[in-house]
Amino acid sequence: SQQGEEDPQALSIQEGENATMNCSYKTSINNLQWYRQNSGRGLVHLILIRSNEREKHSGRLRVTLDTSKKSSSLLITASRAADTASYFCATDRDYGSEKLVFGKGTKLTVNP
Amino acid sequence: GAVVSQHPSWVICKSGTSVKIECRSLDFQATTMFWYRQFPKQSLMLMATSNEGSKATYEQGVEKDKFLINHASLTLSTLTVTSAHPEDSSFYICSAATPIFPDTEAFFGQGTRLTVV
Repeated sequence: SQQGEEDPQALSIQEGENATMNCSYKTSINNLQWYRQNSGRGLVHLILIRSNEREKHSGRLRVTLDTSKKSSSLLITASRAADTASYFCATDRDYGSEKLVFGKGTKLTVNP
Repeated sequence: GAVVSQHPSWVICKSGTSVKIECRSLDFQATTMFWYRQFPKQSLMLMATSNEGSKATYEQGVEKDKFLINHASLTLSTLTVTSAHPEDSSFYICSAATPIFPDTEAFFGQGTRLTVV
């Protein structure tokens, strides 16, 4: 069954704007990861946040994690057309497991 | 980060034939690799776990006789779709995990687009 659920399912913004995507999950996790997928391509790992962390930054990316609400958000600041892709959150299916359960993803379109 | 190479990136085959997809970890050894399947506009679903030197473990609902997995070495896992049918058309992605204490980070191949005609 799906562990993560992202919203919105699709997001369209203008270049320079910020994009926020949310992910909710159902069970206890060891960590949560965000991935990016360009159309028809493989997944690129963006960032991993551990269950004892609340916020993490990487370049223009900011990830938050609220384990009490079982939710995470991915913020992309100053978006670029090249950020157009689908973004997925993934959690370990069983605590500490290498098996990942993916959300349905958010399709982000950044218009030039 | 670590590199996982998947080949081929796309393949078209006739119904009834078999297709082999390779997944290689290029700069690290992976005792465990994972095979996922992704339908258009949907998320990735784990199909099976490939274990080096032992049998793969399949997720519920995945036919082990149809999706043959071989993990012959620490850097190579193969997925063979046997007697392929149009409903097997999908995007198949492999991943390999590297333990980066205390986390395990997964690296994904480029994916293989399979079209069965």
